[in-house]
Amino acid sequence: GAVVSQHPSRVICKSGTSVKIECRSLDFQATTMFWYRQFPKQSLMLMATSNEGSKATYEQGVEKDKFLINHASLTLSTLTVTSAHPEDSSFYICSASGGFVDTQYFGPGTRLTVL
Amino acid sequence: AQTVTQSQPEMSVQEAETVTLSCTYDTSENNYYLFWYKQPPSRQMILVIRQEAYKQQNATENRFSVNFQKAAKSFSLKISDSQLGDTAMYFCAFMKHANAGGTSYGKLTFGQGTILTVHP
Repeated sequence: GAVVSQHPSRVICKSGTSVKIECRSLDFQATTMFWYRQFPKQSLMLMATSNEGSKATYEQGVEKDKFLINHASLTLSTLTVTSAHPEDSSFYICSASGGFVDTQYFGPGTRLTVL
Repeated sequence: AQTVTQSQPEMSVQEAETVTLSCTYDTSENNYYLFWYKQPPSRQMILVIRQEAYKQQNATENRFSVNFQKAAKSFSLKISDSQLGDTAMYFCAFMKHANAGGTSYGKLTFGQGTILTVHP
C-alpha cells in the first residue's frame, strides 16, 4: 500500500520559535495533501488542503500566516508553525492522495510541544 | 455543511465477541463516501472500511462490516470475533463525492470518535 511519512515524529521547541513539519509520499505522487490537528482523545480537525503548485486552502478559523503550508512537489508538503506558542502544542497529521482524493493515506503524525 | 456524530465515547468488548459502533451523519448531498478509520495507541490512522453511498450493498472487510442505512443517515460498524489488536479509537468519517462538485471534495469530516477496548 501507499506510504506517507512525517518528519519529525516529535519536536519540542521554545515559545516564539518556528517549527517545520514535513510530509512525504514515499511511493506515489500526491496531488493533494491535507493537514489535520488532533488534541488528546479528540477528533481530527482539518486545517488546510494543499494542491501541488498552488496555494493552500485554509479552513475557517485557521490562521494562514501562522500555519504556513507549502506543497512544492508531488511528494512533499511542509507545515511551518511560525512563532509557536504553548497553545499550538498538539498532534499534527498529514494525509496524501493521488489522482483520486477519495483514497487518502495518512502519515504517522508529529507531536509538537511548545514550552 | 456536513456533520458526523458518534454517540458512544467509549465501548468495551470481550475477546472473540462482537461489537457494534454507531455513527450518524447529516448531509444534503446524495453522492458521498463514508469511512471508518482506526487509530491505535501508535496514533497511525488506518482505514478500516469504506462505503460509497450509491451502493446499496453493505461493505465488508474480513471481520469488519457496516450497516449502511442511507435514508436514516446511519453507518454503524460491526466488528466480529474481536481481537486484542482491535483496541483503538475508531472514527467515522464523511466525504463528498467528486460529482458533488464544489471546493469541499476530498475533505474528510470526522466524528468525535469511539474508544474501543477489547478485554482478554
